Amino acid sequence: SQQGEEDPQALSIQEGENATMNCSYKTSINNLQWYRQNSGRGLVHLILIRSNEREKHSGRLRVTLDTSKKSSSLLITASRAADTASYFCATAAEGSYIPTFGRGTSLIVHP
Amino acid sequence: EAGVTQFPSHSVIEKGQTVTLRCDPISGHDNLYWYRRVMGKEIKFLLHFVKESKQDESGMPNNRFLAERTGGTYSTLKVQPAELEDSGVYFCASSPAGLVGGEQFFGPGTRLTVL
Repeated sequence: SQQGEEDPQALSIQEGENATMNCSYKTSINNLQWYRQNSGRGLVHLILIRSNEREKHSGRLRVTLDTSKKSSSLLITASRAADTASYFCATAAEGSYIPTFGRGTSLIVHP
Repeated sequence: EAGVTQFPSHSVIEKGQTVTLRCDPISGHDNLYWYRRVMGKEIKFLLHFVKESKQDESGMPNNRFLAERTGGTYSTLKVQPAELEDSGVYFCASSPAGLVGGEQFFGPGTRLTVL
């Protein structure tokens, strides 16, 4: 399947540190998105990177995409306690428009 | 502008009963999606509406699940009869016309527990 898989499953860091999460997928994609889910709430879109892009930034977020390795990473710099959440990558396969989500990375940022 | 809303937030029912979940997308969004997350597993696509039409229902698990979007506004997802394995969080998302494959706006989800 096209399912993206996030790694690690859980990450615990101190406030101020950087957090890096990875996503691997299996087949060619149109785009890859990262979403955040705070406990008890819906997913919030963070960033979308297209298959012809290699890197995108949004505030403290940096996303890279390596289509040759079929992988992406999400870097959160200078993390804050409010960044505590689950982070999901979602891939839309070539010829499809439906994003396929992984199981997520649970990030805990300790104040 | 109100976001995507879902009702109820929680539902606890017994096996064999019927439950109807409701989703109100962002006003004006033609695209409406349903997803489900079973505890500890990935978020799985169920189906996609464009206005009142089902564009893709390939993710619907079986014929116990019925989704409707009469009038192209809100949508309902009925499970009848519910089974234990239907427990999970059901998310609804919407996006504007023409923005398929891009950002989706999610509701807070309905947590369904089937006992």
